[in-house]
Amino acid sequence: GIQVEQSPPDLILQEGANSTLRCNFSDSVNNLQWFHQNPWGQLINLFYIPSGTKQNGRLSATTVATERYSLLYISSSQTTDSGVYFCAPRDNYGQNFVFGPGTRLSVLP
Amino acid sequence: DVKVTQSSRYLVKRTGEKVFLECVQDMDHENMFWYRQDPGLGLRLIYFSYDVKMKEKGDIPEGYSVSREKKERFSLILESASTNQTSMYLCATRAGQETQYFGPGTRLLVL
Repeated sequence: GIQVEQSPPDLILQEGANSTLRCNFSDSVNNLQWFHQNPWGQLINLFYIPSGTKQNGRLSATTVATERYSLLYISSSQTTDSGVYFCAPRDNYGQNFVFGPGTRLSVLP
Repeated sequence: DVKVTQSSRYLVKRTGEKVFLECVQDMDHENMFWYRQDPGLGLRLIYFSYDVKMKEKGDIPEGYSVSREKKERFSLILESASTNQTSMYLCATRAGQETQYFGPGTRLLVL
């Protein structure tokens, strides 16, 4: 099945800083989601982005399916952005999303 | 807004007990999923269902079973709980091939 890597595994930022999280995957994908897991454990959808670029407020995401990666940009980070960010692609043969190991983000006041 | 609820946020059970975790969604989604999440291991798929009374094994089905008698409800059953089933359990739903939505999770402790 598809293999997913996320980098960096951990990231500490000062409030107001910008960051880029990366997701690499081993096979062609027809679907990809980004999630944020808050400190209470709730997984929240950020983007459904099989290709191209999308923006939602301070967050944006880009998927380049032909090069097998996706990026999540967080600008002007806030303490509420803290948590774990998961990338979950689905390949052309799989029925389900495969979750990466996540990037743990801590935003300090 | 999609609403996915799970029967308990926290649960404490003893080894050998039968445990039921229930997930209910209000969006008429065909697909429902159960995952467990453990430190260092990420989210792992236990079972999923594409329709009522249908179930398929995920990556780690051993020690678990599921039931889907109604479209909106998907239950995860631990027939005889063991300490290695202490974990965070997450339910998710999805319409077709689209966005997947998660419930708040159940933290299960087996003593």
